[in-house]
Amino acid sequence: DGGITQSPKYLFRKEGQNVTLSCEQNLNHDAMYWYRQDPGQGLRLIYYSQIVNDFQKGDIAEGYSVSREKKESFPLTVTSAQKNPTAFYLCASTSSGRAEETQYFGPGTRLLVL
Amino acid sequence: AQSVSQHNHHVILSEAASLELGCNYSYGGTVNLFWYVQYPGQHLQLLLKYFSGDPLVKGIKGFEAEFIKSKFSFNLRKPSVQWSDTAEYFCAVNRYNNNDMRFGAGTRLTVKP
Repeated sequence: DGGITQSPKYLFRKEGQNVTLSCEQNLNHDAMYWYRQDPGQGLRLIYYSQIVNDFQKGDIAEGYSVSREKKESFPLTVTSAQKNPTAFYLCASTSSGRAEETQYFGPGTRLLVL
Repeated sequence: AQSVSQHNHHVILSEAASLELGCNYSYGGTVNLFWYVQYPGQHLQLLLKYFSGDPLVKGIKGFEAEFIKSKFSFNLRKPSVQWSDTAEYFCAVNRYNNNDMRFGAGTRLTVKP
C-alpha cells in the first residue's frame, strides 16, 4: 500500500524541549512538504524539499528545522524557539516537485504543549 | 502577500441541494488552483485542479470548478449534494513554477440526510 505515514499521531512537548515529527513516504516522490494547520487558518507551509539534501523555507519556518537525507524521509523538528507550537502538522509529497502537481497528504500529527 | 479567501466557514445543506463554495485569491500572475477535501477521519485529498486549458474543470464525485481570471476566483460547485459530501473543503493556490502553496481557511460542509 503506497502512501505517507506520520508518527506519532499525538505528541506532547514540554517547555524548552525540541521534538521531532516523522514523515515517511513510499510513493517514490521527489518532493516533500510540511504544513501547519491551526483552527480557522487553513494550512500554512513550513518547509519543502524538492530533492534529497535540499530544502527551502516556507511562510512560517521560524522555530522549525528539517533534514532530507533520504528520499523517503523528511522529519520536522519543532525547536524551543517556536513559541506557539500547539497545532496539527501535515506532511505531503508530490511526484517531481512541479507546482501544478497533486499533493498527497499524510494523516497528520497533533502536537500539544504541556 | 498572496492570500486565499474562502467566504463561507460553515455551510449546511439538505441532500439534493446545489452547492457553491467561493474562493478568491489575491495574486495577479499565472497561478495553479486546487480544491482539496478532507472527509471525516480521512487524509486530505485532491478534489480537482486547474493549471491550464479549459477554465471549467471537473473533479471527482460530480464536483466542478470554474476559473474566472478577471475575478481572481475559483468557485467550487456541485448541482446536487449527498450526505457523503459532508467534509471540509480547502481552496489552494500557487504561482506558476513556485511550490509555495497558499491555502484558504477551509469551509466545513454539513449535508443533512
